[in-house]
Amino acid sequence: QQQVKQSPQSLIVQKGGISIINCAYENTAFDYFPWYQQFPGKGPALLIAIRPDVSEKKEGRFTISFNKSAKQFSLHIMDSQPGDSATYFCAASAQGAQKLVFGQGTRLTINP
Amino acid sequence: DGGITQSPKYLFRKEGQNVTLSCEQNLNHDAMYWYRQDPGQGLRLIYYSQIVNDFQKGDIAEGYSVSREKKESFPLTVTSAQKNPTAFYLCASSMSRADETQYFGPGTRLLVL
Repeated sequence: QQQVKQSPQSLIVQKGGISIINCAYENTAFDYFPWYQQFPGKGPALLIAIRPDVSEKKEGRFTISFNKSAKQFSLHIMDSQPGDSATYFCAASAQGAQKLVFGQGTRLTINP
Repeated sequence: DGGITQSPKYLFRKEGQNVTLSCEQNLNHDAMYWYRQDPGQGLRLIYYSQIVNDFQKGDIAEGYSVSREKKESFPLTVTSAQKNPTAFYLCASSMSRADETQYFGPGTRLLVL
């Protein structure tokens, strides 16, 4: 019940296209859902995060869509660029749990 | 220049040897975390600490030990009991136990000779 399942494991998108990465969870106590971006050999960096009181959050070309009833959330990258090529992790935490549970990661490649 | 530093960037361990990975932060954060990253498995929590002189086991603590004697430092020791230590180790911190936003260091890659 503590797992966060992320798909796909890898994704190739053409420059200018939309990249979509999906995550699903079981624990209904989760109330914070961040996405992290990681470049090779570097630590992950927080990209965008959402709480269950909203269904969508947008920051620039990055959007999180959240479906509370389906217990799913997804990251959409609009107008994908080669510089977006990285590994993306979704995560979740429950209030008071003091720790994040991470998905398995998605390696995104944007072809020029 | 605030942030989290990890050293060394690469570390080599011989069989039966204990090695210590350093993590320092100057963000004045109370909470610190250690994760292990293996290909295709995401980040798995080894240990975390919410305050000085206190820490808790994460999901994969066996073969590892930590200390938290200072707020800014949270070193991780990989002991000889950890039979498969080759991985990328990431340290993170957050402002407090109530703050879920974690900030990561650049990582240390541990290799076994």
